[in-house]
Amino acid sequence: EDKVVQSPLSLVVHEGDTVTLNCSYEVTNFRSLLWYKQEKKAPTFLFMLTSSGIEKKSGRLSSILDKKELFSILNITATQTGDSAVYLCASRDSNYQLIWGAGTKLIIKP
Amino acid sequence: DVKVTQSSRYLVKRTGEKVFLECVQDMDHENMFWYRQDPGLGLRLIYFSYDVKMKEKGDIPEGYSVSREKKERFSLILESASTNQTSMYLCASSLFGLAVTGELFFGEGSRLTVL
Repeated sequence: EDKVVQSPLSLVVHEGDTVTLNCSYEVTNFRSLLWYKQEKKAPTFLFMLTSSGIEKKSGRLSSILDKKELFSILNITATQTGDSAVYLCASRDSNYQLIWGAGTKLIIKP
Repeated sequence: DVKVTQSSRYLVKRTGEKVFLECVQDMDHENMFWYRQDPGLGLRLIYFSYDVKMKEKGDIPEGYSVSREKKERFSLILESASTNQTSMYLCASSLFGLAVTGELFFGEGSRLTVL
């Protein structure tokens, strides 16, 4: 059965710290991996990764995919309280359906 | 900006009641989706639609039905609500097949409580 597992489930850090969120996947005929940020509202798209080893970057956020070891990481540097959210990872299979992880709840303490 | 609007943000219903959750998108997207989100679980796909009057079952369609009479509107129907349908319901839309951009645009969610 296809699955996506995120770790840790929750994380509390201080403002200014760097965090790394993990997403491992077992998906038949993998196509891509997506990251979303969910504050107390609609999830918003962060990154889509399709190729191994190519970092995607947006400001203080970056992400990379390892298709050999079947995982992705999301890094956030110099964290701010506005980064507090649930970070969702999803993997797309050959039928273009998304399999979602349970999310990592990130809390940034001032 | 793409906007996906879910008309009811919070609902409280009684067991056995019929529940309608409405979702409207304003970007002429072909694909629309209904998910439910529960603590500790990933988003689970209930139904999706890739065209008007077309619908496909997702992973957990039991107890739900959908309607897509117009391209911009996708409704989720609980014919007889049960307590295990208490959840956050998220609507999403996307352009073409997901392979094109990968991006789903989500509404802000409808939190349903069934007593």
